[in-house]
Amino acid sequence: EPEVTQTPSHQVTQMGQEVILRCVPISNHLYFYWYRQILGQKVEFLVSFYNNEISEKSEIFDDQFSVERPDGSNFTLKIRSTKLEDSAMYFCASKTSGTSGRTELFFGEGSRLTVL
Amino acid sequence: GENVEQHPSTLSVQEGDSAVIKCTYSDSASNYFPWYKQELGKGPQLIIDIRSNVGEKKDQRIAVTLNKTAKHFSLHITETQPEDSAVYFCAAVKAAGNKLTFGGGTRVLVKP
Repeated sequence: EPEVTQTPSHQVTQMGQEVILRCVPISNHLYFYWYRQILGQKVEFLVSFYNNEISEKSEIFDDQFSVERPDGSNFTLKIRSTKLEDSAMYFCASKTSGTSGRTELFFGEGSRLTVL
Repeated sequence: GENVEQHPSTLSVQEGDSAVIKCTYSDSASNYFPWYKQELGKGPQLIIDIRSNVGEKKDQRIAVTLNKTAKHFSLHITETQPEDSAVYFCAAVKAAGNKLTFGGGTRVLVKP
C-alpha cells in the first residue's frame, strides 16, 4: 500500500540551528501539507502546498518556516533558526484532490523535533 | 477561524462495550468531518468520515453521526476490541478550504 514517508524520525538540535524535515508524499498526489503536534496538544495545521506554491498557511508558519518541493518527489519543511517552542512532532500529509469532498488525507508517521 | 472541541480526553472501556466520542465545531461553513485513529508511533489514519448532507454513516463496528444544527458530531465504536485502543481525533474541513482543524484527541483504552 502506498504511504507517505518522513525522515528523520527523530532529530535533536540546538536552539538557533536550521532544521530540514523531509517527506516523500504518495506519488500521484497533488496536495501536500505539514501539520505539527506539540506534546499533549492538538494537531495543528501549518501549511498546504499545491502546484509548486503555498496555497494556505497558518499564523504559526512565520518567516522562520519555509517549504519546498525540490525535485518532484520530496517535500521539505525548513525551520531557519529553531526555538525551544518548535519542539513537536511534525506530520507530512498528502492527497490526490483539493476539493473538500471525501478525499482522504494520508499522513506520514511523523518527525519528532527536539530543540535544546 | 474554526475551532473543534473533543470530549472526553480519555476513555476506558471494557472489551465488548461501546465507546462514544463527541466533537463540536464552531464554523457553520464546515462541511466535511473525518475521524482519524493514531496508534503509538504512527501517523493519524482515516477510519471514517461524513459529509454535511448526511446525518449518519456506518462502517462495520464504527459509526458517525452529525447534527448540523447543533454543530456536533460523534464517533461510536461498538463491541470494542483491544486493537481499538488508540488516540482518536475528530476534524472539520470548510467547504472552500483544504485544511483540517483537529479536535484535541481522545485516548481510548479497551481493557480485556
